[in-house]
Amino acid sequence: GAVVSQHPSWVICKSGTSVKIECRSLDFQATTMFWYRQFPKQSLMLMATSNEGSKATYEQGVEKDKFLINHASLTLSTLTVTSAHPEDSSFYICSASPHTDTQYFGPGTRLTVL
Amino acid sequence: GENVEQHPSTLSVQEGDSAVIKCTYSDSASNYFPWYKQELGKGPQLIIDIRSNVGEKKDQRIAVTLNKTAKHFSLHITETQPEDSAVYFCAASPGRAAGNKLTFGGGTRVLVKP
Repeated sequence: GAVVSQHPSWVICKSGTSVKIECRSLDFQATTMFWYRQFPKQSLMLMATSNEGSKATYEQGVEKDKFLINHASLTLSTLTVTSAHPEDSSFYICSASPHTDTQYFGPGTRLTVL
Repeated sequence: GENVEQHPSTLSVQEGDSAVIKCTYSDSASNYFPWYKQELGKGPQLIIDIRSNVGEKKDQRIAVTLNKTAKHFSLHITETQPEDSAVYFCAASPGRAAGNKLTFGGGTRVLVKP
C-alpha cells in the first residue's frame, strides 16, 4: 500500500517552455501533497504544500507564479514549471500524506532544460 | 523554523557490520521523526519512523532511538548488506496537526563493502 506515482519520470524541454508534472496517490486519498526539489548530492528542499481544493502554500523564496501547483482531487496534484530556464533543471519529487503524519514519496521527475 | 543536522555525511562499513547515523533537531514542537532511504535516481522510501511518545522502535535489522530531552535521534542498521548502500535522510515534523511539514537532514551516503 501507500504508492505514489509521478509522470513523467524524466523530461527534456527547451528554455522558455512550460512543463507539467503529475503526482498521484494510487491506493489512498491524500488530503495533503508536497512538492520538493533536489539538486545533485543535496537534500530535499520543500517547495510548497498543496491541500485539495485550496491554494498551495509556498515556501519562502519559491516563486508561486513560476511553479504553479494544482491539487484538483484527493489523488492528483500537478506542478507546472512555467517559462523554464536551465537553472530550473533539477529532480522534482512529490509526496502524499493520508490522514496521518506519514509522507509517502513518488519516484521523482528529472527535468532538464536546454 | 526547524533545523535538522545529520552526521556523518558519508559512512563506509564492511558487510555484516553495524551502521549508525545521528541527527539532531532544534524545534521542541517536532514530534514525528521518519527515516528515508534514497537510491540513485529514485524517490525516498520510508524505512522506519518514530513518534515522540516512544523512545525506541525496531523493525528487523533497523532500529531508531529518540532522546527528546537532548533533541537527537539515531538510526541503527545491523548486519549490513550491500543492498543497504544508499543515501539515508532523517527528518523532523511537528505532525499533521501543525501542517505536517518535514525538515530534512543533509543526508548520509552509506557504502557497504562486500
